[in-house]
Amino acid sequence: EVQLVESGGGLVQPGRSLRLSCAASGFTFDDYAMHWVRQAPGKGLEWVSGISWNSGSIGYADSVKGRFTISRDNAKNSLYLQMNSLRAEDTALYYCAKDMGAAVAATGAFDIWGQGTMVTVSS
Amino acid sequence: QSALTQPASVSGSPGQSITISCTGTSSDVGGYNYVSWYQQHPGKAPKLMIYDVSNRPSGVSNRFSGSKSGNTASLTISGLQAEDEADYYCSSYTSSSTLEVFGTGTKVTVL
Repeated sequence: EVQLVESGGGLVQPGRSLRLSCAASGFTFDDYAMHWVRQAPGKGLEWVSGISWNSGSIGYADSVKGRFTISRDNAKNSLYLQMNSLRAEDTALYYCAKDMGAAVAATGAFDIWGQGTMVTVSS
Repeated sequence: QSALTQPASVSGSPGQSITISCTGTSSDVGGYNYVSWYQQHPGKAPKLMIYDVSNRPSGVSNRFSGSKSGNTASLTISGLQAEDEADYYCSSYTSSSTLEVFGTGTKVTVL
């Protein structure tokens, strides 16, 4: 079964850090670009970051650039998001999503999604 | 990079057709054929319904179709069914520093 399972979310104080993980199974992980997409409570979707199949190309939303770092370990079929200097506006459900292509800007089509991990930034 | 503009809500009766618009600029929707559409039911993850403007992934009903004209993309749902009631989001590749942008979202109500 094709599956993405996120973990690592939780309650964190403003200014602190958190690392999200996404475990992939059921497909050839290193054939595809991967992304993080977030959704604040009651709000719409926001693309956060994407990484190509070989980590050679990476992109970030302006809202997280310089604070978040995306990475992947193809040997472990895993995607990560290191989030530093967290702000209240980073509070959201964070989804891991598989791209239909290998490059980070190839298709913009995310055909597999996890169920998300909730990040709450509050003092 | 601003979100793509979608109507907040669209409604229709069972069996009818509805169309959701997604308006961007020449730097995103108008400049590339990388427009996708997602369906999201409450409490669920988004589901890809259309990619590359008009292509349907395997398993998606042919009642869903996509098109584009200039800077505006559209999703049409024909033969509206109760199960189509959900939020719908468009997305597009963008040449700005933010590589991907989503639409503001549209709530579809089946009357």
